[in-house]
Amino acid sequence: DAKTTQPPSMDCAEGRAANLPCNHSTISGNEYVYWYRQIHSQGPQYIIHGLKNNETNEMASLIITEDRKSSTLILPHATLRDTAVYYCIVKNRDDKIIFGKGTRLHILP
Amino acid sequence: DSGVTQTPKHLITATGQRVTLRCSPRSGDLSVYWYQQSLDQGLQFLIQYYNGEERAKGNILERFSAQQFPDLHSELNLSSLELGDSALYFCASSVGQASYEQYFGPGTRLTVT
Repeated sequence: DAKTTQPPSMDCAEGRAANLPCNHSTISGNEYVYWYRQIHSQGPQYIIHGLKNNETNEMASLIITEDRKSSTLILPHATLRDTAVYYCIVKNRDDKIIFGKGTRLHILP
Repeated sequence: DSGVTQTPKHLITATGQRVTLRCSPRSGDLSVYWYQQSLDQGLQFLIQYYNGEERAKGNILERFSAQQFPDLHSELNLSSLELGDSALYFCASSVGQASYEQYFGPGTRLTVT
């Protein structure tokens, strides 16, 4: 079973920041938070991962709370191409990926 | 484009038949993973190979088998097909045995009639 809880869907206006929350209250000390997304029926795409510190790359930022029980993926300037299902995954580096249901993000023009 | 290729893109076959799905990983990647995505089960991990050896197993049925060849491409064999095997099958690759990032291919859509 997935160790994360995400809202089933969210809307965001084009050009605004999309903030996708994820709860992972049972995360253990050596587990990372990963985010992947899947644009309609395409293969999932890795976005970002983090352990304790906030992380940023060219696609997104990941904010992890100090107690590590929740995190937020931020897409700074959402475009229509960001419409996708976003998966928050918690796992050790060695573990297999268990995908939950994710959040369906709709970017509105 | 992730660099992972899968063939064929679409496959339609009848119940009871056997099919083979093929995956070529990104250049330099030694691990190959197979996933199944169906409407009712979501995206599920099936099996991982690393440098030709099976490394991890997920919810893979006994009717399914996979292998990774010396050139690192992988094949997923599905036999005695049932209607419920209709799904998208994704292959992913990564550099090491355990990597932060997996790169997914475009998938093979299997329809069993």
